[in-house]
Amino acid sequence: DVKVTQSSRYLVKRTGEKVFLECVQDMDHENMFWYRQDPGLGLRLIYFSYDVKMKEKGDIPEGYSVSREKKERFSLILESASTNQTSMYLCASTPLARNEQYFGPGTRLTVT
Amino acid sequence: GDSVTQMEGPVTLSEEAFLTINCTYTATGYPSLFWYVQYPGEGLQLLLKATKADDKGSNKGFEATYRKETTSFHLEKGSVQVSDSAVYFCALSGGSSNTGKLIFGQGTTLQVKP
Repeated sequence: DVKVTQSSRYLVKRTGEKVFLECVQDMDHENMFWYRQDPGLGLRLIYFSYDVKMKEKGDIPEGYSVSREKKERFSLILESASTNQTSMYLCASTPLARNEQYFGPGTRLTVT
Repeated sequence: GDSVTQMEGPVTLSEEAFLTINCTYTATGYPSLFWYVQYPGEGLQLLLKATKADDKGSNKGFEATYRKETTSFHLEKGSVQVSDSAVYFCALSGGSSNTGKLIFGQGTTLQVKP
């Protein structure tokens, strides 16, 4: 079974803090993705990566950055958290030749 | 660009009722289509998929048929259970892009009452 894990299920941070969300997959998948999920808006892609040290902006990259130093790990960074970044964050991965994504359980981030 | 539109929820049904959740898409090329399900407090799980026109995806009693002529991929189940209560997302991949990105609909909440 593919396993995608995220470092925290719930996180509370203060405005202006630097926040790290970690995602690890154990199936040697090339592609990894970060989404945020908000009611009525579905899932929106923040960033994705198709290889180590490679990254591409998604639809809503502003206020976020990412890091992929190892194939299995993809980190999302909020440089200076703001209240409008309160959301559910979902990580996903997929092998190169396939397009069905495997999701982690999500991190519910609250910025106060 | 590519897009997915789902019927708005919430959808409230009694146990054993018939379920349809509508999904239509706009895409160039030949996308693959997916239904994902999100149970309360969890991430998304792939429910079913179809990769070409007229394919029918099925799983756990749910079905959806890839209709290219109507650009639709409606989700159906003949008899829902309380345990089917969840948020359902329609998605496409590979239309105008082959990066593995998924385009999601906004999600439809299903609540099944005993």
